[in-house]
Amino acid sequence: ETGVTQSPTHLIKTRGQQVTLRCSSQSGHNTVSWYQQALGQGPQFIFQYYREEENGRGNFPPRFSGLQFPNYSSELNVNALELDDSALYLCASSLDSGTGGKTQYFGPGTRLLVL
Amino acid sequence: DQQVKQNSPSLSVQEGRISILNCDYTNSMFDYFLWYKKYPAEGPTFLISISSIKDKNEDGRFTVFLNKSAKHLSLHIVPSQPGDSAVYFCAARRDSNYQLIWGAGTKLIIKP
Repeated sequence: ETGVTQSPTHLIKTRGQQVTLRCSSQSGHNTVSWYQQALGQGPQFIFQYYREEENGRGNFPPRFSGLQFPNYSSELNVNALELDDSALYLCASSLDSGTGGKTQYFGPGTRLLVL
Repeated sequence: DQQVKQNSPSLSVQEGRISILNCDYTNSMFDYFLWYKKYPAEGPTFLISISSIKDKNEDGRFTVFLNKSAKHLSLHIVPSQPGDSAVYFCAARRDSNYQLIWGAGTKLIIKP
């Protein structure tokens, strides 16, 4: 059973650019959630995808968008990068009925630095 | 508004003794609480959880206590081992809502 993987591990971008982060869910999991973890803080929920549909969103602007594919892998896209977008981005997969959260399994994260 | 608070950024405990990590929350609608452990360069891993209908849940060396009237939960690790050195996050959710609301974490250091 493979765990949750994320790519790339580290990324440096400049303000105004766009970035795509990728996540491969744990085998059999149909739900993926994305989190942003700023330095010294806990993860903050960005959004969740269940069976390729967005299933809820946290307090993040529309320039944060996502996709989930039929194989349940996922992408997080961030447009018009700002300095404050510098953070660790975590994805978490779970086997979820769509009606409530279950235990989530996290990937190691992508460290994004915006200069 | 920080709904889940871990007021101790770090905690140092002697190996073999008890580690107690604390977490406070403000939203009375939370009905499920989780503890995660995070090593450097790894994602958080689920440790233990508790439903609001219980006041205690135990799993080996780890016990979580929930005091709903005080909106407080704690994680006890007995005995503490060097491998327990990590950052511990408390998280909460409403069962009808998948969103996890996280605390800022407590860095636990186990001294040999």
